[in-house]
Amino acid sequence: GQQVMQIPQYQHVQEGEDFTTYCNSSTTLSNIQWYKQRPGGHPVFLIQLVKSGEVKKQKRLTFQFGEAKKNSSLHITATQTTDVGTYFCAGPRSGGSNYKLTFGKGTLLTVNP
Amino acid sequence: EADIYQTPRYLVIGTGKKITLECSQTMGHDKMYWYQQDPGMELHLIHYSYGVNSTEKGDLSSESTVSRIRTEHFPLTLESARPSHTSQYLCASSELGRLNEKLFFGSGTQLSVL
Repeated sequence: GQQVMQIPQYQHVQEGEDFTTYCNSSTTLSNIQWYKQRPGGHPVFLIQLVKSGEVKKQKRLTFQFGEAKKNSSLHITATQTTDVGTYFCAGPRSGGSNYKLTFGKGTLLTVNP
Repeated sequence: EADIYQTPRYLVIGTGKKITLECSQTMGHDKMYWYQQDPGMELHLIHYSYGVNSTEKGDLSSESTVSRIRTEHFPLTLESARPSHTSQYLCASSELGRLNEKLFFGSGTQLSVL
């Protein structure tokens, strides 16, 4: 079945350093979504990428969707303590109109002030 | 801001008890989901619904059951709770038929079975 893999599993950085998490799918995705879950909280939608090679920015966050639509990345420039949390990518199941997401295992980001 | 509510927020019960986790949304979303998440781990889909009287099992086998009698309400029931059911249960909803579907999650129910 479809697998969505994320690396690294954990990342600890000093405040001000950059951070990147990578997401790879075993199948081509029609779109990919990113969610952030703060410690003790629930996942919150960040963004969706649809087009091959698409790049979107949200302030210090840059999201990319690969040309083959099988991989994606999230890059945070100059991390802040408010960036702490687990970042999940998620892709829809291939085929059919039924919309279900497969989530990656997430990357836990911790930031040392 | 998402309007999806889960109760209770925390639940500690003994083995063998029957429990129902409540989930309601006021956004009129057709699709609703239940995910199970252990601390620091990935989200596993255990149930989903595309509308009233429509329910399907997800990827992760679960002894829980769900019902969807009303659009806004998607409760999850465990007939006989066991310690292996200890986990966080997250309810989510999304709109049916839209290209840019995104999930809105509730705050979750942290279940502990003793």
